[in-house]
Amino acid sequence: GAGVSQSPSNKVTEKGKDVELRCDPISGHTALYWYRQSLGQGLEFLIYFQGNSAPDKSGLPSDRFSAERTGGSVSTLTIQRTQQEDSAVYLCASSQGGSGDTDTQYFGPGTRLTVL
Amino acid sequence: GEDVEQSLFLSVREGDSSVINCTYTDSSSTYLYWYKQEPGAGLQLLTYIFSNMDMKQDQRLTVLLNKKDKHLSLRIADTQTGDSAIYFCAERTRYNFNKFYFGSGTKLNVKP
Repeated sequence: GAGVSQSPSNKVTEKGKDVELRCDPISGHTALYWYRQSLGQGLEFLIYFQGNSAPDKSGLPSDRFSAERTGGSVSTLTIQRTQQEDSAVYLCASSQGGSGDTDTQYFGPGTRLTVL
Repeated sequence: GEDVEQSLFLSVREGDSSVINCTYTDSSSTYLYWYKQEPGAGLQLLTYIFSNMDMKQDQRLTVLLNKKDKHLSLRIADTQTGDSAIYFCAERTRYNFNKFYFGSGTKLNVKP
């Protein structure tokens, strides 16, 4: 596609419910990242997928958070039993997956999650 | 560690130069990046610099890197109201190339 897309753009949910956030990376990009941006904070790394390799999940804040990437393309970030502190903008980025300076991340517009 | 720090706000007048500063702690940084985030949008890569460089210029943007002091700056010449946004610096280290470490962002306000 033309760019990284994310859906929904906004999600309001009640505490305790599960949510799924979707990311469609740029076609052909093998690397995909999820970040969380809380109000007034920088980006917090959550998880990284590269091709068929095991994902780097070291940034996931708790076992309520999980992510999948099906067929090396679309990714879904799932938050179970949401808490108010999960409220943030969740950003997805994709890149070609190289190790040099050409491996630029392209970001989606984000999903704003509000947990009431 | 991989702490990346930025001041939170900067206000300048249209036509002036803006200088946004960033400090980092990890000496194994390989690439350092500047991103721009406009309201309601994702991050857009502005420019990057490899850690063996001191300076990089790209039109109105000048990046300066002081590796000894672990200090990175972004200078925007002839700042315009359209430059109003949040600017993030980020680093990528030699030991974990998967991860980009971001600062908290500097909100640039350009007054007409």
